[in-house]
Amino acid sequence: DTGVSQDPRHKITKRGQNVTFRCDPISEHNRLYWYRQTLGQGPEFLTYFQNEAQLEKSRLLSDRFSAERPKGSFSTLEIQRTEQGDSAMYLCASSETGSSLGFEQFFGPGTRLTVL
Amino acid sequence: GQQLNQSPQSMFIQEGEDVSMNCTSSSIFNTWLWYKQDPGEGPVLLIALYKAGELTSNGRLTAQFGITRKDSFLNISASIPSDVGIYFCAGQPILSSGSARQLTFGSGTQLTVLP
Repeated sequence: DTGVSQDPRHKITKRGQNVTFRCDPISEHNRLYWYRQTLGQGPEFLTYFQNEAQLEKSRLLSDRFSAERPKGSFSTLEIQRTEQGDSAMYLCASSETGSSLGFEQFFGPGTRLTVL
Repeated sequence: GQQLNQSPQSMFIQEGEDVSMNCTSSSIFNTWLWYKQDPGEGPVLLIALYKAGELTSNGRLTAQFGITRKDSFLNISASIPSDVGIYFCAGQPILSSGSARQLTFGSGTQLTVLP
């Protein structure tokens, strides 16, 4: 399967713990995005990479959140000192570079985070 | 920030019926995308629209990019049980820098198809 993959699919943690999620984009896509989705809402943009460069960060991305894409392939999203409000589905998407195809973002299955 | 108003919030239809949903924005969008999301899964891209007035079909799905660039609709014809899910519109606003790639999503339309 050559779609976007995310790991783990589910994570339950206690408040105050750190968690890390991984995303593997579609292999030929050099753009990678992280979104957060809470119940009953559409996904909200968190951050975006082109290759290894992090080009945009949302104001939703507090200083407890950090994302990396060290070799321009997979990416990790870390949340430090988790809070109950961090409970959400964390979605990763990727897209090609290019005039129109670069707008078509393909999503992974998401990581469901529950903070107790 | 950008706001997308998606309606209706939910729909209950009989199998075989057609359904229509739409999104409006307070500002001009460069691109409109429609996604479907099943429970516990990520959104799946259905249709992408790039030009004002563009009408695009994908099987039983048809979507249009409004001529004002501030709205889009999605039609599903002859609904079937597997059409059940949440449908999201998403758009990329026109920005002066041209560098931003984030999508702004609507809040979704929950579709239920009754047998």
